[in-house]
Amino acid sequence: GDSVTQMEGPVTLSEEAFLTINCTYTATGYPSLFWYVQYPGEGLQLLLKATKADDKGSNKGFEATYRKETTSFHLEKGSVQVSDSAVYFCALSDFSGGYNKLIFGAGTRLAVHP
Amino acid sequence: GAGVSQSPSNKVTEKGKDVELRCDPISGHTALYWYRQSLGQGLEFLIYFQGNSAPDKSGLPSDRFSAERTGGSVSTLTIQRTQQEDSAVYLCASSLVGQGGNQPQHFGDGTRLSIL
Repeated sequence: GDSVTQMEGPVTLSEEAFLTINCTYTATGYPSLFWYVQYPGEGLQLLLKATKADDKGSNKGFEATYRKETTSFHLEKGSVQVSDSAVYFCALSDFSGGYNKLIFGAGTRLAVHP
Repeated sequence: GAGVSQSPSNKVTEKGKDVELRCDPISGHTALYWYRQSLGQGLEFLIYFQGNSAPDKSGLPSDRFSAERTGGSVSTLTIQRTQQEDSAVYLCASSLVGQGGNQPQHFGDGTRLSIL
């Protein structure tokens, strides 16, 4: 079945460092890909998405490119801030059943220090 | 505007008791999903509603779990005879229905369930 694998955390960075969180997926069809973020004490929020190959999703300085050839959707940010500290979830949505059941990776905790 | 609302935000109960968790989706969202976030299993899909029907219940872990949705709006997830392994954060999400997976899901803050 479909699955998502993302790098294990925690990832600890200093403020203004470059961030990459790796995400790869396995899917039989052509899924949509998402990054969700969960800030401490809050619910899941959609960070960005891409619905087809070579699409780039971007938001709040984060970006990720849908790479069909490597089945990847790595999250990047050029300069992280303390406020980016959160858990990041990569997810795919396979519309094969006519609805968007999300399949999540295990999550990667990011801690940014001043 | 109003987001997805879940209640209660926290629930502590004794093993063997029944619990009901409520979800109020965003108005106009016909698709509603329940997920569970637990330490050992990560984020898992439980059930999907389209309107009042549940065409996919494949994620419900046992027959102690059931869910319903009325009026195409509010949904209730019921867990009977709770067990300690049911302790988790239960998340509800809603979305519009669109083609090709273009409609993102909007999540509530979840109900943290603790079974003593």
